[in-house]
Amino acid sequence: DGGITQSPKYLFRKEGQNVTLSCEQNLNHDAMYWYRQDPGQGLRLIYYSQIVNDFQKGDIAEGYSVSREKKESFPLTVTSAQKNPTAFYLCASSIGFWVSSNQPQHFGDGTRLSIL
Amino acid sequence: SQQGEEDPQALSIQEGENATMNCSYKTSINNLQWYRQNSGRGLVHLILIRSNEREKHSGRLRVTLDTSKKSSSLLITASRAADTASYFCATANAGGTSYGKLTFGQGTILTVHP
Repeated sequence: DGGITQSPKYLFRKEGQNVTLSCEQNLNHDAMYWYRQDPGQGLRLIYYSQIVNDFQKGDIAEGYSVSREKKESFPLTVTSAQKNPTAFYLCASSIGFWVSSNQPQHFGDGTRLSIL
Repeated sequence: SQQGEEDPQALSIQEGENATMNCSYKTSINNLQWYRQNSGRGLVHLILIRSNEREKHSGRLRVTLDTSKKSSSLLITASRAADTASYFCATANAGGTSYGKLTFGQGTILTVHP
């Protein structure tokens, strides 16, 4: 069954620590996305990637970094520069970016990040 | 930046009743999408309506789009307790630097009582 797998489900970060959230898809999608969701809020775009070895900043990229070395994988690193990292992080993918304007996005089940 | 604004923020109904959620947006769009999110889970795509469409159906879901008023509504008929979830509208922006990106509203929390 195709889908998006995010791990871990729960993650705790200590002060000054970088943590990496994993996102893997087997849908053969070109485009991948990272969103942040705060309680009672909608989703805000952190980074997106239209194709392998390419990625762009979204609306709230400060304190985050990504890589896209393989089509299937789009890990997100929450750096120590992100002062308020506690949130629910969602990874998504779509067939393509420019055609995604008429294509849905498929989501993983999220990673909940908390501060220790 | 928030594009879609949803109304109401929360909706509580009895099983068998219809549920209507509204979404308003500000800029030109290519399409508008509705997603569902169960507590602690990811979003699931429900329905997509293109800017040149006025109404779309999928099972018990009916979506309308009025581009002149920049608004959309999602109707769930004959609701079930299993419909309890948060529902989000998302707009695919038609131009500018936000082209192709989805912008999500804050969502409507629907509770269906058995």
